[in-house]
Amino acid sequence: QVQLVQSGAEVKKPGASVKVSCKASGYTFTSYYMHWVRQAPGQGLEWMGIINPGGGSTKYAQKFQGRVTMTRDTSTSTVYMELSSLRSEDTAVYYCARTSYYDSSGYYDKWGQGTLVTVSS
Amino acid sequence: DIQMTQSPSSLSASVGDRVTITCRASQSISSFLNWYQQKPGKAPKLLIYAASSLQSGVPSRFSGSGSGTDFTLTISSLQPEDFATYYCQQSYITPPITFGQGTRLEIK
Repeated sequence: QVQLVQSGAEVKKPGASVKVSCKASGYTFTSYYMHWVRQAPGQGLEWMGIINPGGGSTKYAQKFQGRVTMTRDTSTSTVYMELSSLRSEDTAVYYCARTSYYDSSGYYDKWGQGTLVTVSS
Repeated sequence: DIQMTQSPSSLSASVGDRVTITCRASQSISSFLNWYQQKPGKAPKLLIYAASSLQSGVPSRFSGSGSGTDFTLTISSLQPEDFATYYCQQSYITPPITFGQGTRLEIK
């Protein structure tokens, strides 16, 4: 079955970086784009960016430009999201979610379980 | 960026009620509108895609309609497991993908 399994919770100090992984299984890794969406405590969903696992191209939300890097490892069907210069406002649950490469409807039919990143001194 | 506005922000209803949630886009998004349900501590779950298509495995009491700028999610007869937060999401002009602020559906 299709699964997106994310790495575990992280606690970081302000100014540090965090790298979250998302391992895909049960489908052709390169047939789906992977997005990262975050949710601060008690807040809504915020899109961070997208990576094409096939070619590795990325697009980021303007808010995170310069602080976020999304990469992939096709040998392990894993995508990564690294966020640098962390501040308290980055405390959130970070989700990976996929959209089909071949369907322009752009809906997320599968999500990871989420990774809580806590930024605290 | 396209802004998505949901109404109401919260809603109290009883089991068996018919409930409608509205999502409005700041400009036309054709039918590129998707709906999700999120329960506490869980990832969002896709309910409706392309404005009105029911995702596989989702009960038929959920339905979606609309096009252009105005969309609705309807639950025909609320069940206890439907109490959750609902989000709309546009995928027409990206990046960025944008979400509504959410509608919290509570038990009356």
